[in-house]
Amino acid sequence: SQQGEEDPQALSIQEGENATMNCSYKTSINNLQWYRQNSGRGLVHLILIRSNEREKHSGRLRVTLDTSKKSSSLLITASRAADTASYFCATDVYNTDKLIFGTGTRLQVFP
Amino acid sequence: GAVVSQHPSWVICKSGTSVKIECRSLDFQATTMFWYRQFPKQSLMLMATSNEGSKATYEQGVEKDKFLINHASLTLSTLTVTSAHPEDSSFYICSASPAAKNIQYFGAGTRLSVL
Repeated sequence: SQQGEEDPQALSIQEGENATMNCSYKTSINNLQWYRQNSGRGLVHLILIRSNEREKHSGRLRVTLDTSKKSSSLLITASRAADTASYFCATDVYNTDKLIFGTGTRLQVFP
Repeated sequence: GAVVSQHPSWVICKSGTSVKIECRSLDFQATTMFWYRQFPKQSLMLMATSNEGSKATYEQGVEKDKFLINHASLTLSTLTVTSAHPEDSSFYICSASPAAKNIQYFGAGTRLSVL
């Protein structure tokens, strides 16, 4: 399977703490994306990082990409209870519009 | 941002019946839409790529006669689960991507329960 692996599978933290999720993938990519999914809902795009970028920020989100290790991390700073959701990384598939999603991290932020 | 509408959000049906799920891009045209299936606490598995005006491309292991996809216009794709059985119960999600963009915009999903 081409599916990426994410760790941890589940993460529980207190409000105000930082949350870090990691994603490893198997093939060469043009870009890597992170999506968020609230329970029982569709996915929402958070951030895209291209293969020639090493780090990207968006608000409280910080994404890093290491193509030599085929890995990425998503850091959420100063977490809030509303950040409780599942987070998925997704990589593009060469010469197609398809995305391959990672296994996901379930984040629980306690108030 | 781009909006994708998926309908219905929840459907219960009897075994043997067919169910149609609609996916619409509301403010952009999508030549390509995607259909995913998601089991509880698991990731999304791509079922098929829906191409406007042509046949869908199914992923390995997905029965094309079971999951009929029609993409008749640039804003609408439908997934019909034919002769549904309890093992087809799942969360189905569609997505669409505006031209020349790598980002996919997702519908809210459809929870199918087959009794």
